[in-house]
Amino acid sequence: KAGVTQTPRYLIKTRGQQVTLSCSPISGHRSVSWYQQTPGQGLQFLFEYFSETQRNKGNFPGRFSGRQFSNSRSEMNVSTLELGDSALYLCASSFMVEETQYFGPGTRLLVL
Amino acid sequence: GQQVMQIPQYQHVQEGEDFTTYCNSSTTLSNIQWYKQRPGGHPVFLIQLVKSGEVKKQKRLTFQFGEAKKNSSLHITATQTTDVGTYFCAGRDIQGAQKLVFGQGTRLTINP
Repeated sequence: KAGVTQTPRYLIKTRGQQVTLSCSPISGHRSVSWYQQTPGQGLQFLFEYFSETQRNKGNFPGRFSGRQFSNSRSEMNVSTLELGDSALYLCASSFMVEETQYFGPGTRLLVL
Repeated sequence: GQQVMQIPQYQHVQEGEDFTTYCNSSTTLSNIQWYKQRPGGHPVFLIQLVKSGEVKKQKRLTFQFGEAKKNSSLHITATQTTDVGTYFCAGRDIQGAQKLVFGQGTRLTINP
């Protein structure tokens, strides 16, 4: 099976812009989670989706939003980008919610 | 909210020495997962422990889940240069529908 894919892999934006990141889970996986990874903060949980429903949300401002489609693909959007949003954004999929998570390669976002 | 603390944050060893990282949760966990992230890579699942007091081995790696299901450890015997990376533990509160919370990780470097 193909692994989790994330697009784009690298992105440079300027403050105030918005960005949409995409995640395609492993075929058959219905749960998708998003994490923000920064050197100082480790892996911070953003969202968790299962069958198009947001199951959990992390402690991030409303500028961060996400959704999951009927084919389990997921997108996350960050509006009004700030310098502090520069990070590696990781998507992980699992067959069911509490099972092993398989991570994608991530999208590295740089906000200038 | 639930917190997962991991120590040490960094560990540098000589090749051949042993290594241990410890994980402590502020709440009782339903299970604990361990991941390894190589430099420049993404987290890769290593193992999941579910039962109280469970011990699992993978070659030179030994994983333990505490009796109270609030702590866990990963021990590597006779480290090799291929063990370099950051090791993360992650757990969900035993109360249902909780998000997966990652520890800050232990970064292991090895002097060959």
